[in-house]
Amino acid sequence: DVQMVETGGGLVKPGGSLRLSCVASGFSFNTYSMNWVRQAPGKGLEWVSSITSTSGYMHYVDSVKGRFTISRDNAKNSVYLHMDSLTADDSGIYYCARSGVRGVPLDSWGQGTLVTVSS
Amino acid sequence: IQLTQSPSTLSASVGDRVNITCRASQTVDIWLAWYRQKPGKAPDLLIYKASTLHSGVPSRISGSGSGTEFTLTISGLQPDDSAIYYCHQYNNQPKTFGPGTKVEIK
Repeated sequence: DVQMVETGGGLVKPGGSLRLSCVASGFSFNTYSMNWVRQAPGKGLEWVSSITSTSGYMHYVDSVKGRFTISRDNAKNSVYLHMDSLTADDSGIYYCARSGVRGVPLDSWGQGTLVTVSS
Repeated sequence: IQLTQSPSTLSASVGDRVNITCRASQTVDIWLAWYRQKPGKAPDLLIYKASTLHSGVPSRISGSGSGTEFTLTISGLQPDDSAIYYCHQYNNQPKTFGPGTKVEIK
């Protein structure tokens, strides 16, 4: 079965940093683009970042450009999100999600990891 | 690309047919998907490429539209359909989601 497990969330002070990890299993990780999507408490979904299968292209939502960095290690079936200069607006559940192939969008999601930015 | 959804909330009875509309601020061609999210869970993909049913999704769920206007239709509403539904465009970066439509069962 396709599975993604996110870790690394927690409580961090404003201005702090955090690194999220997502370990994938059940599919050929090195052939899929991967994404991070977040959801603030009681709010809707916001796509945050994506990275192509060979790390050739990375994309970010404007609100995190210059602060967040997505990366991956295909040998470890893992994708990461390094987050700097965190603010309260960055609080929420962060989901790791796989981009499908042949026109299929985010088709498999992890259970999410909670990030809380508070003093 | 901004996505809007209407209605923001709808209440319907078991067996009803309901429609949710998603409008894009510019064309996304057919690169529009629909997700369902239940409380405390990750979203589930229902429809992609505007009208293609994802594997395992019942055929009473359907999608239509292209360009800037799309519709998700749920026929024969079931109690299990109570959830928040999001549209999602993946034609352009950054990818975006609509604000969601909450479906309640009377």
